[in-house]
Amino acid sequence: GDSVTQMEGPVTLSEEAFLTINCTYTATGYPSLFWYVQYPGEGLQLLLKATKADDKGSNKGFEATYRKETTSFHLEKGSVQVSDSAVYFCAIGGAGSYQLTFGKGTKLSVIP
Amino acid sequence: DVKVTQSSRYLVKRTGEKVFLECVQDMDHENMFWYRQDPGLGLRLIYFSYDVKMKEKGDIPEGYSVSREKKERFSLILESASTNQTSMYLCASSVANSGNTIYFGEGSWLTVV
Repeated sequence: GDSVTQMEGPVTLSEEAFLTINCTYTATGYPSLFWYVQYPGEGLQLLLKATKADDKGSNKGFEATYRKETTSFHLEKGSVQVSDSAVYFCAIGGAGSYQLTFGKGTKLSVIP
Repeated sequence: DVKVTQSSRYLVKRTGEKVFLECVQDMDHENMFWYRQDPGLGLRLIYFSYDVKMKEKGDIPEGYSVSREKKERFSLILESASTNQTSMYLCASSVANSGNTIYFGEGSWLTVV
């Protein structure tokens, strides 16, 4: 079945540092790819998505590119802020499936 | 904006009690889901429903049941709560087609003592 592997956390960065959170997947066909963010004490919110190869999703300064050749969807941000401290989840929506398969999440802490 | 509302943010229940977690969505979505979230385990799907009165087991259905009598409402039921069901429960919904964005509620923190 489908699976998602994302880098283990926690990740601690200083404000204005560059962020990369790696995500790779296994799936048949052409899944849709997602990044969700969960702020402390809240549910998950969609951060960005991409539905086909070479698509770039972007939102709030975060970006991720759908790389079919490497089955990856790495999350990047050029300059993180304290307010970006949260848990980030990579997910895939397999073709023909109602469900999303989630990675285990990566906790990011940004310190001033 | 899609709104998924979970009726209780924080609950404390006793072992053996019957527990109902309620969820309502306002976007006429066909699909609804219940996940539980635990540290180190990520999100695990308990049940989902793709239509009124229809349900499918997810990865960890044991000890849970669900009810979907109306399209906008999806209830998770713990028939006899146990301490290992202490967790964060997340309700979600999406439109019918595959690979679509899932929208989450704010979560319900359940503690079973």
